Amino acid sequence: GQQLNQSPQSMFIQEGEDVSMNCTSSSIFNTWLWYKQEPGEGPVLLIALYKAGELTSNGRLTAQFGITRKDSFLNISASIPSDVGIYFCAGILTGGGNKLTFGTGTQLKVEL
Amino acid sequence: GAVVSQHPSWVICKSGTSVKIECRSLDFQATTMFWYRQFPKQSLMLMATSNEGSKATYEQGVEKDKFLINHASLTLSTLTVTSAHPEDSSFYICSAHRTETQYFGPGTRLLVL
Repeated sequence: GQQLNQSPQSMFIQEGEDVSMNCTSSSIFNTWLWYKQEPGEGPVLLIALYKAGELTSNGRLTAQFGITRKDSFLNISASIPSDVGIYFCAGILTGGGNKLTFGTGTQLKVEL
Repeated sequence: GAVVSQHPSWVICKSGTSVKIECRSLDFQATTMFWYRQFPKQSLMLMATSNEGSKATYEQGVEKDKFLINHASLTLSTLTVTSAHPEDSSFYICSAHRTETQYFGPGTRLLVL
């Protein structure tokens, strides 16, 4: 099935650094969601975006719904060791019902 | 709010047996739930959409007779892997739809020997 292009594929950063990752698509999305998944667990919702241009924060996390509705980014400020995990973007396509299209994931590793 | 549970969290079974996995929305009702499969180091792959009171909708390539889905109530969907084989070993995750968002369960690790 279709997947979103998510980059970077992996990141190895130092504690305290800011992190940025993004998702792009050739299709228009109505909703963008960002999840974090840790090993052996299900994805946990971080931020939900419902309108083009929307900028939403959740603690040190900030995400934006692109104006073209074809992209979204997630920023993490002042990273800490517990930020380690895989981050997935997911979107609901226009006319796609409630099904999610997932990004390929960004693996984040934080060095102390 | 928006808690989804799965049971069991892990299961080991012999080849040829059937395994049932339950997905429950604990604090909300969900007319639609979804079942995913995830292989190591890969993204989630949608298997089917589970609709309360009607037949599930399967994604292309997913055998409906192999993966039986029942959504008998607004808080419970079950996935039964029939006549399981080693290639069915995987991490199965469900989600429940609520207000344009999906909330995921913790996943079930299935190992078929």
